[in-house]
Amino acid sequence: GAGVSQSPSNKVTEKGKDVELRCDPISGHTALYWYRQSLGQGLEFLIYFQGNSAPDKSGLPSDRFSAERTGGSVSTLTIQRTQQEDSAVYLCASSESGGDNEQFFGPGTRLTVL
Amino acid sequence: AQSVAQPEDQVNVAEGNPLTVKCTYSVSGNPYLFWYVQYPNRGLQFLLKYITGDNLVKGSYGFEAEFNKSQTSFHLKKPSALVSDSALYFCAVRPFSGSARQLTFGSGTQLTVLP
Repeated sequence: GAGVSQSPSNKVTEKGKDVELRCDPISGHTALYWYRQSLGQGLEFLIYFQGNSAPDKSGLPSDRFSAERTGGSVSTLTIQRTQQEDSAVYLCASSESGGDNEQFFGPGTRLTVL
Repeated sequence: AQSVAQPEDQVNVAEGNPLTVKCTYSVSGNPYLFWYVQYPNRGLQFLLKYITGDNLVKGSYGFEAEFNKSQTSFHLKKPSALVSDSALYFCAVRPFSGSARQLTFGSGTQLTVLP
């Protein structure tokens, strides 16, 4: 079956602009996660959704970052007023409900802020 | 808070030789442990996990990992390395209990298998 998909695959933007990153999880997966991968910070957790609610937003680095999930499926990560330090690969993952289930990752969106 | 250490940034091994990629963890209570592999410009691919039961876990592509509770380790192993195993490997942990669902990852180990 189809895996996790993310769009766009690459995004180049200017400092101060807003960007939206999209994630389509595996059908039927109720849990959805956003992570950020950068050279200096490794893999960082950003936010977790169970269904449409986000019980854990603890990893969002600032109030410029927000995310939503609609219909228990597609999720959008929005970064407002982008800064150069936001440049990274943003990874989305999904899993079945239950903490022992592995997370399946999408290919990521490479964000470059000029 | 949980943490994962991968003490080696780089591991080189000759094709056909056994390989080990090290991982130690810190978590309150019992852990769920995972290994993922990342090929260039690709997302992370799941290799194997330890939930409970047998300490030796077998996964994809001939990889296995051994859970050692006393040493808080979960080293990844393969008896005979292939050049195609060259990639970036990540160990990850999340606590068995509690509401946290996200994975905490190690810094990654670049495995290079030399022909």
